[in-house]
Amino acid sequence: DIQMTQSPASLSASLGETVTIECLASEDIYSNLAWYQQKPGKSPQLLIYYANSLNDGVPSRFSGSGSGTQYSLKINSLQSEDVSIYFCQQNYDSPPTFGGGTKLELK
Amino acid sequence: EVQLVESGGGLVQPGRSLKLSCAASGFTFSNYYMAWVRQAPTKGLEWVASITNSGGSTYYRDSVKGRFTISRDNAKSTLYLQMDSLRSEDTATYYCTRVRYYDGSTFDYWGQGVMVTVSS
Repeated sequence: DIQMTQSPASLSASLGETVTIECLASEDIYSNLAWYQQKPGKSPQLLIYYANSLNDGVPSRFSGSGSGTQYSLKINSLQSEDVSIYFCQQNYDSPPTFGGGTKLELK
Repeated sequence: EVQLVESGGGLVQPGRSLKLSCAASGFTFSNYYMAWVRQAPTKGLEWVASITNSGGSTYYRDSVKGRFTISRDNAKSTLYLQMDSLRSEDTATYYCTRVRYYDGSTFDYWGQGVMVTVSS
């Protein structure tokens, strides 16, 4: 199975700040990467697919980038509603696998 | 509006069975692959099983192969997960998900989740 390693595991940032979350795949996944946001007590929601394509309705302050084995999610101008756990997921090979998650809190 | 509503969860003893259902609405169910993804308490996400739009092919993670069966009824727009020989490690919230159109295993809509607790 392809292993997905996210960093950091937790992150504290201030309103208006820019934050970046990293995701490292154990092998090349050819940009077949998605990012999900899970707000407290809620189910996950798709933010980004194909590494850098924004899902419908997702604010433009979210962006994704990367290639090969290294990917990142950037959130510009952090808002209070962005407090969540963020997961990356590869869908290049079966089984699809998720990163361990990054918990984003407000400072 | 796409809606996925799971039901059928609960407390079950190890070795027993449980069947989850997911009622879908707001899209043409028969056009989409569907999947179940689970999340153990305070843990990460884990794909469980997927099914093609026709139901003709199914896919499972190794740890549930031979114990879980994913199926669908396109006439009823409903997805199922039959879980047999349940183990304590199957304890999790189970999410019904829609697979993004022609996108392998990207999950673009999720239900609210249903809790399954396997304990004596």
